Amino acid sequence: GAGVSQSPSNKVTEKGKDVELRCDPISGHTALYWYRQSLGQGLEFLIYFQGNSAPDKSGLPSDRFSAERTGGSVSTLTIQRTQQEDSAVYLCASSQQDRGHQPQHFGDGTRLSIL
Amino acid sequence: AQSVTQPDIHITVSEGASLELRCNYSYGATPYLFWYVQSPGQGLQLLLKYFSGDTLVQGIKGFEAEFKRSQSSFNLRKPSVHWSDAAEYFCAVGPYSSASKIIFGSGTRLSIRP
Repeated sequence: GAGVSQSPSNKVTEKGKDVELRCDPISGHTALYWYRQSLGQGLEFLIYFQGNSAPDKSGLPSDRFSAERTGGSVSTLTIQRTQQEDSAVYLCASSQQDRGHQPQHFGDGTRLSIL
Repeated sequence: AQSVTQPDIHITVSEGASLELRCNYSYGATPYLFWYVQSPGQGLQLLLKYFSGDTLVQGIKGFEAEFKRSQSSFNLRKPSVHWSDAAEYFCAVGPYSSASKIIFGSGTRLSIRP
């Protein structure tokens, strides 16, 4: 399909383990966003990539969280030494640059559960 | 402090009835406002956005929203809902120029009564 693709769709892991979440944005979209959605809550901004500019990491909750975007396309969000409070749905979105700085198209998310 | 409030956690309307979902915001500068929909089994999708100009904006799927500066509101409306409109709706506010500063409301879940 032509939408934003995220993998895995579900991830269950033990506290203390590292996890990697992947996002494949819509082809040609230069902006990529990561959000976190906890039960009954709105979306919490994590990080924003725009073209070759330095990413806006201001939403990352701790230094256990990091993200990279290779070749201006696929992005990986890494959480090290996971904690139970990291359990949430992690959403990726992408946008065309000329449509403003808001996310337009979201993936289905990765539901992360920390035991 | 900047914030977005969606006062209704859950709303149920009959199919064919009109719909209004409320959104109130607190924002220090000129707000840019958005509505998103999250349907079961589908990702979030941008319904509509307001940046400037006509305060009544049209979106996809027959939705519209009206910006009322005096009331700090951006309510979402639809004249006649369809069963497929059952979903979670999120209002958001932020600046045009900074993705990190967009604030999302906690959402309103819409159920449709047959």
